Amino acid sequence: DAMVIQNPRYQVTQFGKPVTLSCSQTLNHNVMYWYQQKSSQAPKLLFHYYDKDFNNEADTPDNFQSRRPNTSFCFLDIRSPGLGDAAMYLCATSTLAGEEQFFGPGTRLTVL
Amino acid sequence: SQQGEEDPQALSIQEGENATMNCSYKTSINNLQWYRQNSGRGLVHLILIRSNEREKHSGRLRVTLDTSKKSSSLLITASRAADTASYFCATEGNFGNEKLTFGTGTRLTIIP
Repeated sequence: DAMVIQNPRYQVTQFGKPVTLSCSQTLNHNVMYWYQQKSSQAPKLLFHYYDKDFNNEADTPDNFQSRRPNTSFCFLDIRSPGLGDAAMYLCATSTLAGEEQFFGPGTRLTVL
Repeated sequence: SQQGEEDPQALSIQEGENATMNCSYKTSINNLQWYRQNSGRGLVHLILIRSNEREKHSGRLRVTLDTSKKSSSLLITASRAADTASYFCATEGNFGNEKLTFGTGTRLTIIP
């Protein structure tokens, strides 16, 4: 089945130790999104790609970077995680801008 | 901010009853979408309603949109225990910038 896959599902890292989260999709969608969701809050968009065009939200910390080497894969790099970066990170895709988004199961990040 | 607000924040009903959730937003939109999120999981798209539509149905779901009041409602009829989840509205602004802004969510609990 076509889907959005996130690895790992759970990630534990130490304060300040770089971490990379990955997302892959078999839907061949043009648009990929990364969201941060903290407990009982709405998903907050960090950045998105339309094909290779990268769009950073104005309030996304510089500590967060992203790469999209090809249509299928997208990575979220957190260069120096702080305690406040502990959250669920959600990857999503869509075929058209602003249309239905397909979400992966998320990666729960714990920072010790 | 475009972010929507949902009302109520939490709702508990008996199985078989109907559940209604409301969403308000601030600026003009192209479409409004509803998503469901089970605890600790990714979001699942439920329904999309465009700005020129007033009502839409999908199975036990009924969504209305009132652009003059900048509000939408989601009705789930004949609720089931499996409907227990958080429900988020999300809006696509009419700026053509490919992104959704999520509301604060309603936590729905169905009591068997």
